[in-house]
Amino acid sequence: DIVMTQSPDSLAVSLGERATINCKSSQSVLHSSNNKNYLAWYQQKPGQPPKLLIYWASTRESGVPDRFSGSGSGTDFIFTISSLQAEDVAVYYCQQYYSTPLTFGPGTKVEIK
Amino acid sequence: EVQLVESGGGLVQPGGSLRLSCAASGFTFSSHWMSWVRQAPGKGLEWVAKITQDGGGKYYVDSVKGRFTISRDNAKNSLFLQMNSLRAEDTAVYYCARLLSSGSQYFDSWGQGSLVTVSS
Repeated sequence: DIVMTQSPDSLAVSLGERATINCKSSQSVLHSSNNKNYLAWYQQKPGQPPKLLIYWASTRESGVPDRFSGSGSGTDFIFTISSLQAEDVAVYYCQQYYSTPLTFGPGTKVEIK
Repeated sequence: EVQLVESGGGLVQPGGSLRLSCAASGFTFSSHWMSWVRQAPGKGLEWVAKITQDGGGKYYVDSVKGRFTISRDNAKNSLFLQMNSLRAEDTAVYYCARLLSSGSQYFDSWGQGSLVTVSS
C-alpha cells in the first residue's frame, strides 16, 4: 500500500499571505507510461464533504480559483494557496490514485492567524 | 448537475448489519466507477470500496474485506454498500463518491454523507 504523509498537521496564515502544504508518498506515483503523477488534492470545510481542487498533481478542477495550485513529482508534492482568503479555512487532503487501495494523507488544517 | 444522495445510515449494535444506498442523478451513472469513502468522527478520509461501471469488478480496503459488499443497479442509478459484522471502528460518515474513470481514480463528486454509528 502507498502511505501518504502530510506536513504540517496544521498551519495558521494571515489573510492575503501564502499557505504551503507538503505531501509525500511512500513510493512514486509517477506513471512512466504517460508521465503523469497520480495525485489529487481536496478541500474539506467543516460539516461538508470533500471537494476536488487539483488532480494530476497540478491540474485545477473547473471552477477552482487560481490562487490554489499544486506542484511536485514522484514522491514529493506541494499544495499552495497563494493569497489566503477567509473562505479557505478548511482541512486539505492529498490522495494517490496510482494504485489500489486508494489512500489519503492525514490532512492539514488551515486557519487564519 | 451531479447529485449523489446517501441514505440508510443509523445506529446499529456491534455485529449487526446495515445497508447504505446512494441515489445518483445528473450524469450517466453507468459510465462511471463509483466508490464509498468514510470518515470517522474527527478523523481523516479512508477509501472503503469501489466498483466498475458494470459491477463486474469490486475492490475493498483490507479492513472491510469479507464483511462489506459494494454493488450497483445501473437501471435505478443506485449504489449500495452492504455492511455486515459491524464493529465500533466502522463508526463513520460514509460518503458516496464518483470516480472520474478507470484510469483517473480521483473523486470528482461527493454526496453529503450518511452517518453510521456502531454502539451497544
